[in-house]
Amino acid sequence: GNSVTQMEGPVTLSEEAFLTINCTYTATGYPSLFWYVQYPGEGLQLLLKATKADDKGSNKGFEATYRKETTSFHLEKGSVQVSDSAVYFCALSVLDDKIIFGKGTRLHILP
Amino acid sequence: EPEVTQTPSHQVTQMGQEVILRCVPISNHLYFYWYRQILGQKVEFLVSFYNNEISEKSEIFDDQFSVERPDGSNFTLKIRSTKLEDSAMYFCASSTDGNSNQPQHFGDGTRLSIL
Repeated sequence: GNSVTQMEGPVTLSEEAFLTINCTYTATGYPSLFWYVQYPGEGLQLLLKATKADDKGSNKGFEATYRKETTSFHLEKGSVQVSDSAVYFCALSVLDDKIIFGKGTRLHILP
Repeated sequence: EPEVTQTPSHQVTQMGQEVILRCVPISNHLYFYWYRQILGQKVEFLVSFYNNEISEKSEIFDDQFSVERPDGSNFTLKIRSTKLEDSAMYFCASSTDGNSNQPQHFGDGTRLSIL
């Protein structure tokens, strides 16, 4: 079946550090891939997406590239800020519209 | 920017009671969804709804659950007889169409606590 696996958290970094959150997927067909972010006390917000192989999604300094050969969609940011502290969810959707989420990775950024 | 709104933000209910969670999707969206997130676990799909009927539902969405769009703006999730294991955060989402390329917009969630 379709599934998403992402690195366990929490991840704790200092401000301005480089961030990578790993995500791999299993899917039948050609999924669209997403990263959602959940800030404390808020709902899920779409951070970025990629709909086909080799696409790069980007937003707010975050990037992720759809790698079909490694079935991965790792999230990266060159210099994190305290305001990036949140839970990050990797997710996919195939043909139908239901979204399948990973377990989420909690990110703490220390000033 | 238009957003999905959910009420209440927190609902506390006795086991066995009925509960209705309310959502107002973005006004020009046609596809509506409910997801839930049990504390510490992943967000799980419950049901999708289009053209006044359920498009798809997960195995979690059993006979105790129902959804309705009673008017042109609200989208509700009803749990008929709540169980302790229904305690979770429930998220409503909507999108312009059912294409997997289109992002779903989520509300802030309703935290349901069953006592």
